[in-house]
Amino acid sequence: DIQMTQSPSSLSASVGDRVTITCRTSQSITTYLNWYQQKPGKAPKLLIYFASTLQSGVPSRFSGSGSGTDFTLTISSLEPEDFATYYCQQSYNTPQFGGGTKVEMK
Amino acid sequence: QVQLQESGPGLVKPSETLSLTCTVSGGSISTYYWSWIRQPPGKGLEWIGYIYYSGNSNYNPSLKSRVNISVDTSKNQFSLKLTSVTAADTAVYYCARSVAGTRESWDYWGQGTLVTVSS
Repeated sequence: DIQMTQSPSSLSASVGDRVTITCRTSQSITTYLNWYQQKPGKAPKLLIYFASTLQSGVPSRFSGSGSGTDFTLTISSLEPEDFATYYCQQSYNTPQFGGGTKVEMK
Repeated sequence: QVQLQESGPGLVKPSETLSLTCTVSGGSISTYYWSWIRQPPGKGLEWIGYIYYSGNSNYNPSLKSRVNISVDTSKNQFSLKLTSVTAADTAVYYCARSVAGTRESWDYWGQGTLVTVSS
């Protein structure tokens, strides 16, 4: 099994802050890495797929980077609607999700 | 606009079979891969399996012995059966569609349905 380590598990930030979330895998998954946003009581929403491809309709303040074993989701300037939990997910083999990062208001 | 809607019992007894159906509207079930994903209350996400409209399927090895996913293209529906359930199977169950050209990146999701396993 591929081990996925997402960090931090939570963070506090203010509107306008630059936020970075990382996801590390125990073996190379090339660029088979996706990022989702989930709000309480709602289904996850796809933000980024193939590590850096922005899903249609997702604001450009979201970006993804990385390949191999180290990946990053960046929110360039946090908006009020961005407070949520973020998950990485590998699709290299049996799909697995990271443990999640809860972005809270400072 | 594609919409997915899960339906099925919200309460299942231990050792029985959990059965859910996902109805797809606003688009055809053909050409895409369709998955079931679950999330225990307050916990993370777990992929259960996918099916292609042709019937080709693949399951999470951790659940493979208990899972069956089927598709009914005439009704634009796909279904999940999970046998021998225990309390550990209590979760919100989501159905989802894969991004075109992929199998396991999901761009459309149902709202989710909570299934509780309890006697």
